[in-house]
Amino acid sequence: SQQGEEDPQALSIQEGENATMNCSYKTSINNLQWYRQNSGRGLVHLILIRSNEREKHSGRLRVTLDTSKKSSSLLITASRAADTASYFCATGTKETSGSRLTFGEGTQLTVNP
Amino acid sequence: GAVVSQHPSRVICKSGTSVKIECRSLDFQATTMFWYRQFPKQSLMLMATSNEGSKATYEQGVEKDKFLINHASLTLSTLTVTSAHPEDSSFYICSVRKNRFIADTQYFGPGTRLTVL
Repeated sequence: SQQGEEDPQALSIQEGENATMNCSYKTSINNLQWYRQNSGRGLVHLILIRSNEREKHSGRLRVTLDTSKKSSSLLITASRAADTASYFCATGTKETSGSRLTFGEGTQLTVNP
Repeated sequence: GAVVSQHPSRVICKSGTSVKIECRSLDFQATTMFWYRQFPKQSLMLMATSNEGSKATYEQGVEKDKFLINHASLTLSTLTVTSAHPEDSSFYICSVRKNRFIADTQYFGPGTRLTVL
């Protein structure tokens, strides 16, 4: 089952604005990752934040993680039309047979030029 | 990063036929590969985990006899959809991971669009 829930499901903004997407999960995790998917394509890894980290930056991306609230947020600053895509959070858990990712429902971001 | 390819990118087949999808890790040896299915405007659903040299582990509700997975080498995993039906039409994506026991980054292939008529 998918444990990640993302909010909002869809977001439409103007170029230059910031976009914030949220992700909530239910169980304990090793890490949380954000991926991006352009329409009809595979996923591209954006950033990974471990359970003992609270914030991480990568270029125009900023990810926060609050394990007490079991939530994470992805902020894209100064958005561009090329940022239009679906964004998924995925929680990484460790099990005896190895580890796996569980994906959220995704947020469809549209950046209007 | 890592480079993962899938072949074919798109396939259309008749109901009742079998379709094989290949997933290749082009620049490193992948001990673990994952197969996902994605319906339009939905998230990825993990179908199975395959470890090189051993049997795949299927998720609950996924029929192992219908979705045959073979991970015979460290660079190639195949998913065969047997006796395909229209409800099997979907976007199938594979991913690879370098380390078997760490929930680390997965690198995804470009996906295969399967349409069953």
